[in-house]
Amino acid sequence: GEDVEQSLFLSVREGDSSVINCTYTDSSSTYLYWYKQEPGAGLQLLTYIFSNMDMKQDQRLTVLLNKKDKHLSLRIADTQTGDSAIYFCAETGLTGGGNKLTFGTGTQLKVEL
Amino acid sequence: GAVVSQHPSWVICKSGTSVKIECRSLDFQATTMFWYRQFPKQSLMLMATSNEGSKATYEQGVEKDKFLINHASLTLSTLTVTSAHPEDSSFYICSARVGDTGELFFGEGSRLTVL
Repeated sequence: GEDVEQSLFLSVREGDSSVINCTYTDSSSTYLYWYKQEPGAGLQLLTYIFSNMDMKQDQRLTVLLNKKDKHLSLRIADTQTGDSAIYFCAETGLTGGGNKLTFGTGTQLKVEL
Repeated sequence: GAVVSQHPSWVICKSGTSVKIECRSLDFQATTMFWYRQFPKQSLMLMATSNEGSKATYEQGVEKDKFLINHASLTLSTLTVTSAHPEDSSFYICSARVGDTGELFFGEGSRLTVL
């Protein structure tokens, strides 16, 4: 089946940039997403990118997609303590008629002062 | 953005009892809702797709009789964990789709602890 992998943990200093990486195996992926989960809470959609794009920027967030390598990254500029959370990448492909989201393992981002 | 609310946010129950978790779309109608289960420090696993007015579609390995899903209206889906056991302890999250855009909005999650 489809597989989405992320590194488990990332620690950065406040004000630095954070880059969270994700790799996936589904070559039919259409949309790729980044979600943020704060402790004990549900998921908040941060941004998404369509598979025919290679970059999307939204304020402090930059998403890069390398479709050939099946690699997705999320860059957070000027990282703040409020950005500390778990970040999940997810993808939808043709499986399940495009309704099924496959999530990565999540990357815990810790922002230190 | 659209709001999805879950209730209760936290429940503790004794082994053998049944627990119902509600998922409501507060400001939109959702013909399709999804139920996920999240184990500590792990990703979300899709359990089932809940369709208004019809039976839910369960993912492979998810027991239908164990996790009863009812989508009685366009704004409410319920997940009932029947005869709960400690291994059912988990964080359960629902999501709802706004139209056919593919964007999902997630509830706050419900933490179930079975003693």
